[in-house]
Amino acid sequence: KAGVTQTPRYLIKTRGQQVTLSCSPISGHRSVSWYQQTPGQGLQFLFEYFSETQRNKGNFPGRFSGRQFSNSRSEMNVSTLELGDSALYLCASSSSQAGGTSAQYFGPGTRLLVL
Amino acid sequence: DQQVKQNSPSLSVQEGRISILNCDYTNSMFDYFLWYKKYPAEGPTFLISISSIKDKNEDGRFTVFLNKSAKHLSLHIVPSQPGDSAVYFCAARKETGANNLFFGTGTRLTVIP
Repeated sequence: KAGVTQTPRYLIKTRGQQVTLSCSPISGHRSVSWYQQTPGQGLQFLFEYFSETQRNKGNFPGRFSGRQFSNSRSEMNVSTLELGDSALYLCASSSSQAGGTSAQYFGPGTRLLVL
Repeated sequence: DQQVKQNSPSLSVQEGRISILNCDYTNSMFDYFLWYKKYPAEGPTFLISISSIKDKNEDGRFTVFLNKSAKHLSLHIVPSQPGDSAVYFCAARKETGANNLFFGTGTRLTVIP
């Protein structure tokens, strides 16, 4: 079974621009979560989607948004980029609808650099 | 507020010996715990998990122990191999209602040949 895939792998943007990242979960997984990893803050939860609905949201500003399509693929959008948005953005998929005892499996991440 | 803590940023172990990585949590609502291994510029790789109804789970060279009263878990790797050198993260979540994980800050394990 193919793993979680994320595109693009690397991205360079300038302040004020917007960016869209894509995630394709493991086949059959309907839950997709997004995380941000930075040296200062570690791995932090952004939001989770299940069956095209956002179920949980972390403590991030409204510039961070996402959506999920009927095939469970998900996109994350960051508008009006700031230097502090430079990070590794990770997507994770799970077969579980509501936690349970199913692990989340991560993709390789998208490295975003904001100049 | 760091609800999951890994107080040792690094650990060095000789090849063949046991590696013990520790993790503490503060939120008593957490009842499912996971360990991930991460290489630079890659996503975390799931290693092993444990539910709060157990106090031990074993998978090959990896064993996770959970002490609910102390809000403490540990990952044992026996025997340690050079390929185990990576950053290890523990993560926690509530078993029901949400898939969002709370991560520790990671411990860099170096296995010396």
